[in-house]
Amino acid sequence: DIQMTQSPSSLSASVGGRVTITCQTSQDINNYLNWYQQKPGKAPKLLIYDASNLETGVPSRFTGRGSGTYFTFTINSLQPEDIATYYCQQYHTLITFGPGTKVEIK
Amino acid sequence: QVHLQESGPGLVKPSETLSLTCTISGGSLSSYFWSWIRQPPGGGLEWIGYIYYSGTTNYNSSLKSRVTISVDTSKNQFSLNLTSVTTADTAVYYCARYGSGWYRAWGQGALVTVSS
Repeated sequence: DIQMTQSPSSLSASVGGRVTITCQTSQDINNYLNWYQQKPGKAPKLLIYDASNLETGVPSRFTGRGSGTYFTFTINSLQPEDIATYYCQQYHTLITFGPGTKVEIK
Repeated sequence: QVHLQESGPGLVKPSETLSLTCTISGGSLSSYFWSWIRQPPGGGLEWIGYIYYSGTTNYNSSLKSRVTISVDTSKNQFSLNLTSVTTADTAVYYCARYGSGWYRAWGQGALVTVSS
């Protein structure tokens, strides 16, 4: 099974600030990595697919990069509505989700 | 726009079987994989497994011995059975449509509590 780690597990940033989350996998997954946003009481929402592709309708302040075993997810100019938990997900071998990163406003 | 809706008992006794159904509207089962994903209270997302509309399945290795996912194309539904449940199986259970590697469509989630 592919193991996934995310860091940090939580963070606090100012409105307008930049937030970066990392996701690492236990083996090379090429670019088979997606990012989701989940707000309390809601289902996750796809933001980024294949490591760096922005889902239709998602604001351009969300970006993703990486390949192999190391990936980053960035929110440029954090907005109050971005308060949520963010998960990475690999699909190279079956499906695994990362443990999540909770983003709060400072 | 496809819509997914989970249904089933919200309370299951320990050692019994958890059964949920996902009903799809606004779209067909065809040409997609259909998944169950769960989230314990305050916890992260755990993939349970998926089924192709033709019936091919794959499961999380940690749950494989207890899980069955089935599909009923005549009713546009797919279902989850999880046997021998314990309190550790208490979670919100989501059904979702899997295509090309990601999940674009999700149900709202159904909380299932395992308790005597």
